[in-house]
Amino acid sequence: AQSVAQPEDQVNVAEGNPLTVKCTYSVSGNPYLFWYVQYPNRGLQFLLKYITGDNLVKGSYGFEAEFNKSQTSFHLKKPSALVSDSALYFCAVRLPNAGNNRKLIWGLGTSLAVNP
Amino acid sequence: GAGVSQSPSNKVTEKGKDVELRCDPISGHTALYWYRQSLGQGLEFLIYFQGNSAPDKSGLPSDRFSAERTGGSVSTLTIQRTQQEDSAVYLCASSLRAGSYNEQFFGPGTRLTVL
Repeated sequence: AQSVAQPEDQVNVAEGNPLTVKCTYSVSGNPYLFWYVQYPNRGLQFLLKYITGDNLVKGSYGFEAEFNKSQTSFHLKKPSALVSDSALYFCAVRLPNAGNNRKLIWGLGTSLAVNP
Repeated sequence: GAGVSQSPSNKVTEKGKDVELRCDPISGHTALYWYRQSLGQGLEFLIYFQGNSAPDKSGLPSDRFSAERTGGSVSTLTIQRTQQEDSAVYLCASSLRAGSYNEQFFGPGTRLTVL
């Protein structure tokens, strides 16, 4: 079955340190990959996406993610974490040739806590 | 321009009552999605509308749940005979139709509490 895994329910990192939020997927074909963020008491916001081309994509708020086809991963990264980055992060996958199936397959989310 | 809006922001109802949740997508977005997010959980897909095509209802958890989208814009999610397990935040999102790589824009959600 096609799925998206975020293996860590929670990630803790000190402010100023690099952060990584992991995402792996199990789908057939070449997927489109997305990261979304949900700040406390706010709606979900799009962060970045990989469609094709350069495996390293840059998004909002200094975040970036690297698509690794051989490892079927799309880990989210930031060189220097801020306390304000504390939020719930979701990885999602969409098959490009899914016809009328336009649903995203969502991970369960990873709670990131950045400590001052 | 305005983002996705949802109303009400909060709804408290008694078990067995019907509720209607409204979503106004971003103007020009032809795709509209409904999700449910329970406390501490990920997103649960409910239903998807794309233009005038038949909606994808594969995520609706029971026949008590239904949704419609009038005029290709505003959508209403209806839950009949609400149960306590329906308590959750209901999120609406919209996106441009043009390609499957379009990101979704989310509304603030409706927090539904069934007593």
